[in-house]
Amino acid sequence: QLQLQESGPGLVKPSETLSLTCSVSGGSISSNTYYWGWIRQPPGKGLEWIGSIYYSGSTYYDPSLKSRVTISVDTSKNQFSLKLSSVTAADTAVYYCARQGGAAPRYWGQGTLVTVSS
Amino acid sequence: DIQMTQSPSTLSASVGDRVTITCRASQSISSWLAWYQQKPGKAPKLLIYMASSLESGVPSRFSGSGSGTEFTLTISSLQPDDFATYYCQEYNSYLTWTFGQGTKVEIK
Repeated sequence: QLQLQESGPGLVKPSETLSLTCSVSGGSISSNTYYWGWIRQPPGKGLEWIGSIYYSGSTYYDPSLKSRVTISVDTSKNQFSLKLSSVTAADTAVYYCARQGGAAPRYWGQGTLVTVSS
Repeated sequence: DIQMTQSPSTLSASVGDRVTITCRASQSISSWLAWYQQKPGKAPKLLIYMASSLESGVPSRFSGSGSGTEFTLTISSLQPDDFATYYCQEYNSYLTWTFGQGTKVEIK
């Protein structure tokens, strides 16, 4: 059974860079069928797709975040990562990682809350 | 970019009611549409994929229909455990995802 687990600091200062890692177990991140994505959800608000990456390193980002987002992959560790620069309070959210592709988008991490505050 | 418009944003209903939530895509997404249920503090739970396929373990009172640009999620007889927020999601491209704004199902 595929499992995804987010990890990283729960508190980030304004103007700094948010960094999270998603560890994938029970399957290979190097599959040629899937992309691996990040989604976030501000408190009390809806779900927002951030971006995705293929095992080869090809990336796609939401245009509204593109200037601040970098997603990378480490196939040797079966992990992919998110960096969001110049954060503000508006970036406070639960961040989820997920597997994209295939008929059923059923594999998500449990989410991790990141608070932007000084 | 594809936009997903979900309605209503809030729905008040009673146990036993039949409930319908609608999702409209700004362009055709064939059947690449999923429905999720989310409860406070929890990750979204997949209910329906490919517009009408019931995820394993999900009660049969949940059903999905539609294709192209118009989709519906129906709960045939609302149960106490069903009071939650529901989201539609398009995944027409495996590169990007787009979510609806969500529908909160409240107790009437």
